[in-house]
Amino acid sequence: GQQVQQSPASLVLQEGENAELQCNFSTSLNSMQWFYQRPEGSLVSLFYNPSGTKQSGRLTSTTVIKERRSSLHISSSQITDSGTYLCAMSGSALGRLHFGAGTQLIVIP
Amino acid sequence: DPKIIQKPKYLVAVTGSEKILICEQYLGHNAMYWYRQSAKKPLEFMFSYSYQKLMDNQTASSRFQPQSSKKNHLDLQITALKPDDSATYFCASSQDNWSDYTFGSGTRLLVI
Repeated sequence: GQQVQQSPASLVLQEGENAELQCNFSTSLNSMQWFYQRPEGSLVSLFYNPSGTKQSGRLTSTTVIKERRSSLHISSSQITDSGTYLCAMSGSALGRLHFGAGTQLIVIP
Repeated sequence: DPKIIQKPKYLVAVTGSEKILICEQYLGHNAMYWYRQSAKKPLEFMFSYSYQKLMDNQTASSRFQPQSSKKNHLDLQITALKPDDSATYFCASSQDNWSDYTFGSGTRLLVI
């Protein structure tokens, strides 16, 4: 079965609103990483966060291992935040990442 | 400057032909990977290499063969191409198997 589930599948925000993206995983965790996939397809690493909370600018990632979930909070969204947000986890020492299907975010003026 | 170079960016191939996708990383990482993203599907793991040795393999077909001529190179040879092979192929690297990944910009392959 699918090991990583992301929600919501899509989200439309007005500029300035906040967003909370969820990632749930079904196996034990070695690593957790959040990526932003640009509309043209390239991937940008946002956070490597296997546990706890990390913040970078308007983005905050929180991973709670016991609850098998990670979240990405975007505050004061901007139009340029539009794109697909992917979470990926690894449950083994071999490093293989399992990706979620992504959350497609659209920010409108 | 891009830290992971994938070439070519776009590739159109005829069914039955063979192509090689190139990947070079300039991050000094020890582990390299290939992933595939087909239309409307999540990114899927294909191969992982560590110190030029195959560590993990998810690809059932022997038509997909990674090739590592140097520590910072991991090319992907695909033989007997099929239309179902059409996808974006991403190369990635990490310092070791449990560190964060950096992805290349991908090679978008179309098989006609």
